[in-house]
Amino acid sequence: EAGVAQSPRYKIIEKRQSVAFWCNPISGHATLYWYQQILGQGPKLLIQFQNNGVVDDSQLPKDRFSAERLKGVDSTLKIQPAKLEDSAVYLCAASLGGDYNEQFFGPGTRLTVL
Amino acid sequence: KQEVTQIPAALSVPEGENLVLNCSFTDSAIYNLQWFRQDPGKGLTSLLLIQSSQREQTSGRLNASLDKSSGRSTLYIAASQPGDSATYLCAVRVAGNTPLVFGKGTRLSVIA
Repeated sequence: EAGVAQSPRYKIIEKRQSVAFWCNPISGHATLYWYQQILGQGPKLLIQFQNNGVVDDSQLPKDRFSAERLKGVDSTLKIQPAKLEDSAVYLCAASLGGDYNEQFFGPGTRLTVL
Repeated sequence: KQEVTQIPAALSVPEGENLVLNCSFTDSAIYNLQWFRQDPGKGLTSLLLIQSSQREQTSGRLNASLDKSSGRSTLYIAASQPGDSATYLCAVRVAGNTPLVFGKGTRLSVIA
């Protein structure tokens, strides 16, 4: 089966600009997660979707971050406007959900905010 | 609030050595625990998943153990190779379909 796809792989922007990331999970994987990984840290959850509904967005900085998952498949994560501290790797993960819920990760998007 | 700690933060060993990476978590009421490998500039590759009812899982030269009562897991790597050089992350899930809580990782270097 194909893995989790993410694009772009790298993005460099200036502060106050906007940026968007895209994720295409494994077919049939109903649960989708966006994580933020700052250099030297473990990933931290930003938002979790179950199909096209939000399950947990308590850690999402909603004043600047937004995410959607239309039709319960692809997902986009947007930052507007970006700050220097948003420089990180943004990881998308997917799982089947239910009792067997091993998470599979995409390659990530490395964002640098100058 | 669940917190995950990994010790050591970095480890350097000569090729061929057996080694152990440690992971501890503050709340023993976990659903499962997952070990990942992360190469520089890459995403996470799942190595082993241990359900809360299990004590260990094995895959090739890797063996992961879980002691829920003490809040600990270890990842044992046998006969280490330079290709094992990467960052190893431990993560726990506190309930069925919930996000993972990660440690900061252990950066492993295996010297030829």
